[in-house]
Amino acid sequence: SQTIHQWPATLVQPVGSPLSLECTVEGTSNPNLYWYRQAAGRGLQLLFYSVGIGQISSEVPQNLSASRPQDRQFILSSKKLLLSDSGFYLCAWNRGGRSYNEQFFGPGTRLTVL
Amino acid sequence: DQQVKQNSPSLSVQEGRISILNCDYTNSMFDYFLWYKKYPAEGPTFLISISSIKDKNEDGRFTVFLNKSAKHLSLHIVPSQPGDSAVYFCAAIEEASGTYKYIFGTGTRLKVLA
Repeated sequence: SQTIHQWPATLVQPVGSPLSLECTVEGTSNPNLYWYRQAAGRGLQLLFYSVGIGQISSEVPQNLSASRPQDRQFILSSKKLLLSDSGFYLCAWNRGGRSYNEQFFGPGTRLTVL
Repeated sequence: DQQVKQNSPSLSVQEGRISILNCDYTNSMFDYFLWYKKYPAEGPTFLISISSIKDKNEDGRFTVFLNKSAKHLSLHIVPSQPGDSAVYFCAAIEEASGTYKYIFGTGTRLKVLA
């Protein structure tokens, strides 16, 4: 069966510090991968998605970036965190291809920027 | 510009009664919709989906209705149980380059009272 991991589970970082959140998927190959953010009182905002190694699509302008160095690894980064980067970050995957299928989410990372 | 809207941020229902969660969308090109359930500090889990060529899909206590002319869908939970208390997100799928993007609403917090 497929599983998705995210770490760390919680993170407290000062403003201006760098960020690296990691997501890995097991039990599948060539997944589509997604990063979302859920800010307080808001829905799930799609940040990045990837259909393959090295292929990243960005949804919103921001100081975050994403990379996919391996097929089942997705990394969310920032060089300098802002207060507004605080939120709950979720990684998700679904099967690649042209058919509709549901996304499966990881457990999330709670980021607090002070 | 919110393409998928859940106008009720919260809903309280008595145990055993029906819960009705609503969702409106603006893009008539969406042709697949999903509902997710989310507990605090966890990733969302998939509940039920519907294709735009259908107007109803049922799975146990959960039924999703789609009114394409009104660009409206709803999730019915019958009978409601205390364990159903969670935040519910509706999502629409939009075709993107090489994959599909999931556009989520802002969520409705359901509280089922014992």
